[in-house]
Amino acid sequence: DAGVIQSPRHEVTEMGQEVTLRCKPISGHNSLFWYRQTMMRGLELLIYFNNNVPIDDSGMPEDRFSAKMPNASFSTLKIQPSEPRDSAVYFCASSFITGKTDTQYFGPGTRLTVL
Amino acid sequence: DQQVKQNSPSLSVQEGRISILNCDYTNSMFDYFLWYKKYPAEGPTFLISISSIKDKNEDGRFTVFLNKSAKHLSLHIVPSQPGDSAVYFCAANQAGTALIFGKGTTLSVSS
Repeated sequence: DAGVIQSPRHEVTEMGQEVTLRCKPISGHNSLFWYRQTMMRGLELLIYFNNNVPIDDSGMPEDRFSAKMPNASFSTLKIQPSEPRDSAVYFCASSFITGKTDTQYFGPGTRLTVL
Repeated sequence: DQQVKQNSPSLSVQEGRISILNCDYTNSMFDYFLWYKKYPAEGPTFLISISSIKDKNEDGRFTVFLNKSAKHLSLHIVPSQPGDSAVYFCAANQAGTALIFGKGTTLSVSS
């Protein structure tokens, strides 16, 4: 398997623009997670889906952030409008939640810079 | 409130010696603990895990110890190698819920 795939790997945009990050989870996994990593806050969970349904979005910073998972093999994280404080590395991870062991596998991340 | 804490932001060790990375947690309901390793410009990669019903799990040079009474776990790397230099994240969860990560410890192994 190719692992979790994220695109783009790098994104530079101007304040106010819409940004869309994409993720393809590992085939067969039933859960998908979006994380943001910053120096100040470390690795923080934004939202996670189980069987394509959002389960916990309490980590989404504000209404400018939205995430969708239209099917088991694709998810997007959208920021509209983007702000300089959104600059961070955004990771997508997937797992097969069994109720016992929930090892998550991460993609390479998207480095977002908002000017 | 941080439920998973890694109080040492960095650790420096000589090649061949033991590296000990520590992690404390506050939620007694956690039943699964993991360590991830992260290199620059890459995503975190799973390293080793332990269930709350165990107190030790070993995989090659890596051993994780869990002390439930102290709500403390540690990762031992023996012997340490320069390629082990990375950021190490401790994570925990209750089964079926999202992982909660510590802020990481940067390990530097010098040759």
